[in-house]
Amino acid sequence: AAGVIQSPRHLIKEKRETATLKCYPIPRHDTVYWYQQGPGQDPQFLISFYEKMQSDKGSIPDRFSAQQFSDYHSELNMSSLELGDSALYFCASSLGQAVDYGYTFGSGTRLTVV
Amino acid sequence: AQSVTQLDSHVSVSEGTPVLLRCNYSSSYSPSLFWYVQHPNKGLQLLLKYTSAATLVKGINGFEAEFKKSETSFHLTKPSAHMSDAAEYFCVSRRSGTYKYIFGTGTRLKVLA
Repeated sequence: AAGVIQSPRHLIKEKRETATLKCYPIPRHDTVYWYQQGPGQDPQFLISFYEKMQSDKGSIPDRFSAQQFSDYHSELNMSSLELGDSALYFCASSLGQAVDYGYTFGSGTRLTVV
Repeated sequence: AQSVTQLDSHVSVSEGTPVLLRCNYSSSYSPSLFWYVQHPNKGLQLLLKYTSAATLVKGINGFEAEFKKSETSFHLTKPSAHMSDAAEYFCVSRRSGTYKYIFGTGTRLKVLA
């Protein structure tokens, strides 16, 4: 079965550069969630989209922005990167927002800022 | 406010012995609760979920968890640990009124040969 696809798997950027992370949800899923997991940390919710509109917002820095496109894929744009942005970024998708069956997570994008 | 507390940051068991990973939640009413496993450099995989249908929930790989409202607990158990069970385990609550997860801080399970 198709899963959530994230690209790239690994990304190395320098401080003050920009990065774009992509998430392709499971086919027909219309909701996407972004999480950030720092080294040794639990995942922290960043932002979510439902039907191409932002549905919820967590601890996402102002330097970050995200959107969901007409094909439901989502992109997380990160500017003025800082060393502290180094983390594993997960995307999850679901069909609708009443999700009691658990999200399906992608394998994540590991961002390293040097 | 909702929160999830994983009582042990590290648990070590011998292969073939039982596993117990403890999780307590706080919520004004019964939340949806999940256990996820994360192997090194891998994504989060759903082990099992509680959504008020049954208090004893069976998941994949022989894991199960029991929802105990009186104790506000949702501990994860497995009768016999396998080496491949070594991973980080997250207890997760779905925040009421929104659709985002609240993660516990994780328990790292080590399985000794």
